[in-house]
Amino acid sequence: EMVLTQSPGTLSLSPGERATLSCRASQSFINSHLAWYQQKLGQAPRLLIYGVSSRATGIPDRFSGYGSGTDFTLTISRLEPEDFAVYYCQQYGDTPPGTFGQGTKLEIK
Amino acid sequence: QVQLQQSGPGLVKPSQTLSLTCAISGDSVSNNRVIWNWIRQSPSRGLEWLGRTYYRSKWYLESAVSVRGRVSVNPDTSKNQFSLQMNSVTPEDTAIYYCARGGYGSTALLFDVWGPGTLVTVSS
Repeated sequence: EMVLTQSPGTLSLSPGERATLSCRASQSFINSHLAWYQQKLGQAPRLLIYGVSSRATGIPDRFSGYGSGTDFTLTISRLEPEDFAVYYCQQYGDTPPGTFGQGTKLEIK
Repeated sequence: QVQLQQSGPGLVKPSQTLSLTCAISGDSVSNNRVIWNWIRQSPSRGLEWLGRTYYRSKWYLESAVSVRGRVSVNPDTSKNQFSLQMNSVTPEDTAIYYCARGGYGSTALLFDVWGPGTLVTVSS
């Protein structure tokens, strides 16, 4: 079963800075079924990115994703105060379980 | 827009059955282009998919290997909702439970709409 490992566990940055979050897979992806979610405290996860690099509806263009094989990255170009949250990567497809990574907490420095 | 509203008890005794309901607005539980899921989140297990139901000329009900035999996900077309039942719960089942919508085909496990979550505590 696929294991997704996210790094760093916690990232401390200031508003206006650039954030780079990593997601490494235990097996190489044969497709582009990698998604990113944002979860704020007390809320459900929200879909940000799917298909490695496509933004979900309403997601601002400061969020971007890229990668292939086993290494994937979520970049937030200029952090806004509302971007500080926990971010999860996920492998999806039609066959369960749709594995999630353990998350990266993006906190205000 | 599609919204999911969850209901159910926040406290369940060990060995009893956990029951949650997810009411759908803006979509149909019988929509043959989407899938209705239950996911839970706990510090020890992270985000964990539990089960799903969907309609493709007939109803399909599936559950995760980790909870198979304890979990059932069922549609209720009369109320446009779906439910989760988990029996024989233990304190390890304490978690926030979410319902979520998945897509069609290769996006079946891509969750674009989520319920607000229900914290369920298993304790006597």
